[in-house]
Amino acid sequence: GAVVSQHPSRVICKSGTSVKIECRSLDFQATTMFWYRQFPKKSLMLMATSNEGSKATYEQGVEKDKFLINHASLTLSTLTVTSAHPEDSSFYICSASFGQGGGYTFGSGTRLTVV
Amino acid sequence: AQSVAQPEDQVNVAEGNPLTVKCTYSVSGNPYLFWYVQYPNRGLQFLLKYITGDNLVKGSYGFEAEFNKSQTSFHLKKPSALVSDSALYFCAVRDQAGTALIFGKGTTLSVSS
Repeated sequence: GAVVSQHPSRVICKSGTSVKIECRSLDFQATTMFWYRQFPKKSLMLMATSNEGSKATYEQGVEKDKFLINHASLTLSTLTVTSAHPEDSSFYICSASFGQGGGYTFGSGTRLTVV
Repeated sequence: AQSVAQPEDQVNVAEGNPLTVKCTYSVSGNPYLFWYVQYPNRGLQFLLKYITGDNLVKGSYGFEAEFNKSQTSFHLKKPSALVSDSALYFCAVRDQAGTALIFGKGTTLSVSS
């Protein structure tokens, strides 16, 4: 139980274009989802917290207009990287909390390469 | 503010030997502590967590961790390492229900045969 499906797993895009990454909770309702960015062999940096039906809360230093987060339903959160640049190339991972026991589940990640 | 420290970038151990991956934390309230493992280009796999109760937590794949409040530590251990345990390990903490996990920088575990 508590599975999060993240798509696509890999994407290559041209500079200046936008890319959307989807994160779906398959067997539970995810009121809150989290988006992380991971650089090679580095830790996961929290980018933002998205709550269903409201605006996302971004961490300091994360550009809201570049990384658009939408959480329109209890099972879907999306991250759109707008006007992508090569420095946006990274591994993006979504996560959701579930249950009363303080569990977290993670998507399998999206490798974004901007050329 | 909550934070997690993993003092070792890499831990090397021979197969069959015990392993320890260190983690210390800092939170303002009661800590909720987690260990995850990551294989290349993959998401995170849950190993174990401490919320409350026994200080020794047993998790997946033979791993365990001991919560030490006085030393603010939550070291990951395994009695006998396997080559397949080689991966990137993350310690994480949160201090309030529903908030995001904050991760340490990660420790690469390398188990040699």
